[in-house]
Amino acid sequence: EVQLVQSGAEVKKPGESLKISCKGPGYSFTSYWIGWVRQMPGKGLEWMGIIYPGDSDTRYSPSFQGQVTISADKSISTAYLQWSSLKASDTAMYYCARAQFSSSWYFDYWGQGTLVTVSS
Amino acid sequence: QSALTQPPSVSGSLGQSVTISCTGTSSDVGSYNRVSWYQQPPGTAPKFMIYEVSNRPSGVPDRFSGSKSGNTASLTISGLQAEDEADYYCSLYTISSTWVFGGGTKLTVL
Repeated sequence: EVQLVQSGAEVKKPGESLKISCKGPGYSFTSYWIGWVRQMPGKGLEWMGIIYPGDSDTRYSPSFQGQVTISADKSISTAYLQWSSLKASDTAMYYCARAQFSSSWYFDYWGQGTLVTVSS
Repeated sequence: QSALTQPPSVSGSLGQSVTISCTGTSSDVGSYNRVSWYQQPPGTAPKFMIYEVSNRPSGVPDRFSGSKSGNTASLTISGLQAEDEADYYCSLYTISSTWVFGGGTKLTVL
């Protein structure tokens, strides 16, 4: 069974760094792109970027380029989303999702989400 | 960058049908079958419902259907049930190899 299991909720202070994870047991992790999606409190979904764990090819939304870093460790079937210096505006739920291709791309499996709270 | 417009809210009574629209442009929604739909019940992660405008993955009830007319894709839910109450998002895989989501539509089942 395909699963995406995300790391637990985090509470951080502004300026701190953070790395959250998304582990993908149950399928060939290196053969599928993994995307990250932000959902700010009471708001909609925003695509942040995507990585191919097989070779770490990464693409970012222009809105998030330079603000976050997406990476992966294929040896442990895990993708990451990290910040070097958090801001209060980074407070949100973050989802990872597997991208599937038929004749176009879509996200077929989603993680349970990681809630990040940034507050002084 | 592409933008997808959805109505903020729709409502329908139990057993009735509702349609949620997702409007783009002739360069994106109108030209390609790259729209997918996601359901997000309160407090839960999104769930994949429709891909490539009108294809339904296994496990999704056939009460859910997708279509497209011109620059607008639509999700229709027939025979509304209480558990259909959720936020619904359309998404587009763009010609720039990026993704964009619509603003979301809150479905209330009366």
